[in-house]
Amino acid sequence: GIQVEQSPPDLILQEGANSTLRCNFSDSVNNLQWFHQNPWGQLINLFYIPSGTKQNGRLSATTVATERYSLLYISSSQTTDSGVYFCAGTTGGGNKLTFGTGTQLKVEL
Amino acid sequence: DAEITQSPRHKITETGRQVTLACHQTWNHNNMFWYRQDLGHGLRLIHYSYGVQDTNKGEVSDGYSVSRSNTEDLPLTLESAASSQTSVYFCASSESQRGGTQYFGPGTRLLVL
Repeated sequence: GIQVEQSPPDLILQEGANSTLRCNFSDSVNNLQWFHQNPWGQLINLFYIPSGTKQNGRLSATTVATERYSLLYISSSQTTDSGVYFCAGTTGGGNKLTFGTGTQLKVEL
Repeated sequence: DAEITQSPRHKITETGRQVTLACHQTWNHNNMFWYRQDLGHGLRLIHYSYGVQDTNKGEVSDGYSVSRSNTEDLPLTLESAASSQTSVYFCASSESQRGGTQYFGPGTRLLVL
């Protein structure tokens, strides 16, 4: 199966800072998605982004499918952005997601 | 609002017991998935279903089974619980077999003693 590498594994930011999280795939991937797992464990889907760029408030994501990577941008970070960010995708047909091991983000005052 | 729920939210059981975790979604989605989350492994797919009476094995299916008798529910059964199955279990659903956003339930924390 595909390998999903996320970087950085850990990140500490001061409130108001910007950051970029990266996700690399070992093979062509479909149905790329970004999730945020909050400190209470809930997984929230941030973006469904198989290609191109999307924005939602302070968050945006870009996927370059031909180069097998995706980026998640967080601007003007807030303490509520803390948690773990996962990317995931599928190969071939179907919708079975393979997840990366995540980026642990902590935003401090 | 449509949602996906899991029960119980926390469960402690003993080695060798049969355990069933419930997953119920009101999205009317055809696709449902079970994942487990462990430190150092992220989330891994256990079983999935693309519709009623359809079930398929995922990456880590040994020791688990599922059944799909209706659209809304996909219960996960641990036939004989083992300590290695201590984990957090997430259920998810999506509309299309070809892809699309997956929505996750709140998770079930299972401890096998």
